[in-house]
Amino acid sequence: EAGVAQSPRYKIIEKRQSVAFWCNPISGHATLYWYQQILGQGPKLLIQFQNNGVVDDSQLPKDRFSAERLKGVDSTLKIQPAKLEDSAVYLCASSLRSPGNNSPLHFGNGTRLTVT
Amino acid sequence: GDSVTQMEGPVTLSEEAFLTINCTYTATGYPSLFWYVQYPGEGLQLLLKATKADDKGSNKGFEATYRKETTSFHLEKGSVQVSDSAVYFCALAIDFNKFYFGSGTKLNVKP
Repeated sequence: EAGVAQSPRYKIIEKRQSVAFWCNPISGHATLYWYQQILGQGPKLLIQFQNNGVVDDSQLPKDRFSAERLKGVDSTLKIQPAKLEDSAVYLCASSLRSPGNNSPLHFGNGTRLTVT
Repeated sequence: GDSVTQMEGPVTLSEEAFLTINCTYTATGYPSLFWYVQYPGEGLQLLLKATKADDKGSNKGFEATYRKETTSFHLEKGSVQVSDSAVYFCALAIDFNKFYFGSGTKLNVKP
């Protein structure tokens, strides 16, 4: 099966500019996640979608970050305006819908964002 | 709150040495536990999982046992190879498949 696709792989922008990331999950996966991974740290959840509804966005900095999942498939994550501390790898993951909590996440290769 | 704590790295071993990476968790419910591995420039890949107490997950020579009494899920391998060099993440999942990750442990295996 095709994996989780993300683009672009790399992005360099100046602070206060805007940027958008795209993710296409594995076909049939109802749940989609965006994680932020700062160098040397573990992934931190930004937002979790179930189909096209938001399950958890409690750690999403809503003053500058936004995300949507069109028609319950593809998703975009946007940052506007970017700050230096947003420099990180942005990982998209997907999983099958599970009534419990044992459906593994499948990750894309991520987008490495550098804000100068 | 729910969280995962794992030993800091880097861990440096010679090829064929025994590996242990410690992981403990805090959870309010009954989590599932996972180990993920990340190679340079790539996303995280599932290594193994355990869904209830006393379950043992295993894959590619790696093993971890879900210990509820010690809230631990330590990763072990009897004989590491150079190709095992990577960053390893312990994670728990609760409720609606919400995942929490540890900070990662970098493993360097020398020939």
